This record gives sequence, structure tokens and C-alpha cells, in this order.
Amino acid sequence: QQQVKQSPQSLIVQKGGISIINCAYENTAFDYFPWYQQFPGKGPALLIAIRPDVSEKKEGRFTISFNKSAKQFSLHIMDSQPGDSATYFCAASINSGTYKYIFGTGTRLKVLA
Amino acid sequence: EPEVTQTPSHQVTQMGQEVILRCVPISNHLYFYWYRQILGQKVEFLVSFYNNEISEKSEIFDDQFSVERPDGSNFTLKIRSTKLEDSAMYFCASSEFDRASTDTQYFGPGTRLTVL
Repeated sequence: QQQVKQSPQSLIVQKGGISIINCAYENTAFDYFPWYQQFPGKGPALLIAIRPDVSEKKEGRFTISFNKSAKQFSLHIMDSQPGDSATYFCAASINSGTYKYIFGTGTRLKVLA
Repeated sequence: EPEVTQTPSHQVTQMGQEVILRCVPISNHLYFYWYRQILGQKVEFLVSFYNNEISEKSEIFDDQFSVERPDGSNFTLKIRSTKLEDSAMYFCASSEFDRASTDTQYFGPGTRLTVL
């Protein structure tokens, strides 16, 4: 119940295309869903985050879509660029006092020039 | 922009040796975390720390692990007797204590621990 399932494991997109990464969860107590971007040898960097009271959040080329009833959320990267090539992790946390993150397994995105 | 810093960036140690990984969280943050990432795998929660005590730990965080905030700025992770399977990237993270923003954790660049 504490798992967050992420797909696909890897993704190749042409420059200018849309990258879509999906995550699903079981625990309805999760109430915060961030996406992190990680470049090789670096720490995860917060990209965008959403709470379950909204269905969509957009920041620049990055959009989170959230489906509370399906317990799914996804990251859309519009106009994907080679500089977006990185590993993307979804995560979830509970307002339980510790706020620990449960991470998905990661998606390695490669954007071809 | 404030950031979480970690030292060393890479630590090589012999099996059975003790290691201390150091972190300096963002100065006004009150929640601190350690995560680890085995090469090619997902980031896993180890421990959270608030108000000078552990608030939660995972099953990975056994008696060989300990955390400490020895002063007002550092946050350390100690592994008493390292095993080969402790080889991983260890990330420190911190967050503010405010319901609206506590959820957002800021990660350091990590320490790569190699146990030989």
C-alpha cells in the first residue's frame, strides 16, 4: 500500500514532442505528489508538485494531471528538449508528521535532437 | 538560493569500517531526512529527524545506522560497520516546518559511498 508505481521505465522522445510519465498509488492517505528531476551524479531536484484537491497544475512546459478517483497522476513535458534528458521520479507523501517520500522507480527520459 | 550541501562527495571505505556522512540542511528548515539510492534503482527513505529525535525510520535503518545533529547546522548519518550492500548514493534532504510547504523536500547532491 505504500508503493508508488511508475511507468514507463524508459522513454525516448523526439525534440519538440510530448513526454508523458505515469504514476499510480494505492494509499488514499497520500496527499502530496511531487515530481523530481535527476541528472546523472546529482541529487533529485523538485520540478513540480500537486495536491489532490486540484486536477491539473502547469508550470511552464511541465504539467501534472491528477486523477483522484483512479489514484493516478502523470507528468507531461511539452515541447521536450534534449536538456530535459534525465531521470524523473514521482513521489508521494502523507501529512502524518514525518512527511517521508515514497518514490516511484524512475523513468529515464532521452530526448533526441 | 539556499541549498543543502553534503560532504564528502565520494567516500570509499573497507567493509567493517565506520563512516560518517555529513549534511548541512537549509538554515531555516526543521525537518531532516536521509535517503539512499542504490545504483540504477529508486530513491529509498531511510530516516526522518525532527526536534532532535528520529520521527520515523525504515526497515533499512537498522542498529548499524544512527543520525545526529551535533550542532545548529550539521546533520550526520553514521554507519558503524559498513557492509558491501551499503554501497549507494546517500542523499540528505530538508524541509520547512509549515503545513503549506513542509511537504517540499530539498535534496543535497549526495555522497557516493563505496564499500570494498
